[in-house]
Amino acid sequence: EDKVVQSPLSLVVHEGDTVTLNCSYEVTNFRSLLWYKQEKKAPTFLFMLTSSGIEKKSGRLSSILDKKELFSILNITATQTGDSAIYLCAVEAGSSSGTYKYIFGTGTRLKVLA
Amino acid sequence: SAVISQKPSRDICQRGTSLTIQCQVDSQVTMMFWYRQQPGQSLTLIATANQGSEATYESGFVIDKFPISRPNLTFSTLTVSNMSPEDSSIYLCSALGGGDRNYGYTFGSGTRLTVV
Repeated sequence: EDKVVQSPLSLVVHEGDTVTLNCSYEVTNFRSLLWYKQEKKAPTFLFMLTSSGIEKKSGRLSSILDKKELFSILNITATQTGDSAIYLCAVEAGSSSGTYKYIFGTGTRLKVLA
Repeated sequence: SAVISQKPSRDICQRGTSLTIQCQVDSQVTMMFWYRQQPGQSLTLIATANQGSEATYESGFVIDKFPISRPNLTFSTLTVSNMSPEDSSIYLCSALGGGDRNYGYTFGSGTRLTVV
């Protein structure tokens, strides 16, 4: 059974701290891994990773994928209170019917204290 | 990337009734997806809505409970039928717009459903 596991489930840090969020997966027909930020209801896209070892960066956020060890990390440096959210990891995996779908992890709830 | 308008944004419904959630995309998309997010949990895929064919349901979800319509390439509805308090969740639609997978799938703004 395909699964995506995130850790930690929740995290409380102070502004300025650096955090690392983890995502491991076991899926068949891996296509890509995505990170989303969910503040209210709708997740917003952060990164898509398809190749191992290539870091993607956007401001204070960065992410990297290890397809051999089947995991990804999301780093946030110099955290701000606005980073408080649930961070979701999703793996795009293929099914036997030939279509692809997202499998979401449980999410990491990050709270940044002022 | 595509912009998806979803409504209603929230509703409180009586058990035994049904609610239809609508999603309108600003561009044509091949597949749309419907998710449920129960309190404190992650997103679970309910079904994939394909234009011109029946929706494909995931394990644990059935058409009688969650009928889906996809009349054209920009619109889909999900109905939550014969609701019970266990159906209280956030429901989200999603699509890949513009054919560019590198920006991931876009989500609608979500519908927060409370069944009393």
